[in-house]
Amino acid sequence: EDQVTQSPEALRLQEGESSSLNCSYTVSGLRGLFWYRQDPGKGPEFLFTLYSAGEEKEKERLKATLTKKESFLHITAPKPEDSATYLCAVRRGGSNYKLTFGKGTLLTVNP
Amino acid sequence: NAGVMQNPRHLVRRRGQEARLRCSPMKGHSHVYWYRQLPEEGLKFMVYLQKENIIDESGMPKERFSAEFPKEGPSILRIQQVVRGDSAAYFCASSTGQEGEQYFGPGTRLTVT
Repeated sequence: EDQVTQSPEALRLQEGESSSLNCSYTVSGLRGLFWYRQDPGKGPEFLFTLYSAGEEKEKERLKATLTKKESFLHITAPKPEDSATYLCAVRRGGSNYKLTFGKGTLLTVNP
Repeated sequence: NAGVMQNPRHLVRRRGQEARLRCSPMKGHSHVYWYRQLPEEGLKFMVYLQKENIIDESGMPKERFSAEFPKEGPSILRIQQVVRGDSAAYFCASSTGQEGEQYFGPGTRLTVT
């Protein structure tokens, strides 16, 4: 069974204090690892897709990286508006549509 | 380009009533997915549909739950005889194809009293 574990469950940062979120996964034949951002009371907002170990993608203050066992979401000089829950999901080969999600990391950035 | 639309955003039902949740995919998307998010749990896959076809319903409870995506109109997730355990946020996502990114709607928050 596919498994996705995100850590930490919650992270509190000061504005400008860079850090990383972790997503460890176990999946048969990875066909994509996805990062989403979810604000309270809203649906997940797509951020990145990574397909192979060594791949990196960036968007503003966020950078996602992928290895064979985990992915990191690096947040550089965060701002209060980066506060949200960040979700990681994997898609396996063979049933290449179903996403398996982790429980998320709740990020709070204080001004 | 409008995003994925879901309605209603909030739905309150008494135990034993029926709940109907609607999802209109993004323009140009013909693949629809339903996920459920229970308190303190991650999003869980329920069902995957294309127009007029259910492709995978392996995540749906065997009883009381059904889904459809007709040729015309939105996709509908139907829950019959709701129980308190059905209280959750239900999200719809859509994509252009099986391997495309899934874009989520704002969700329907179902409360069963």
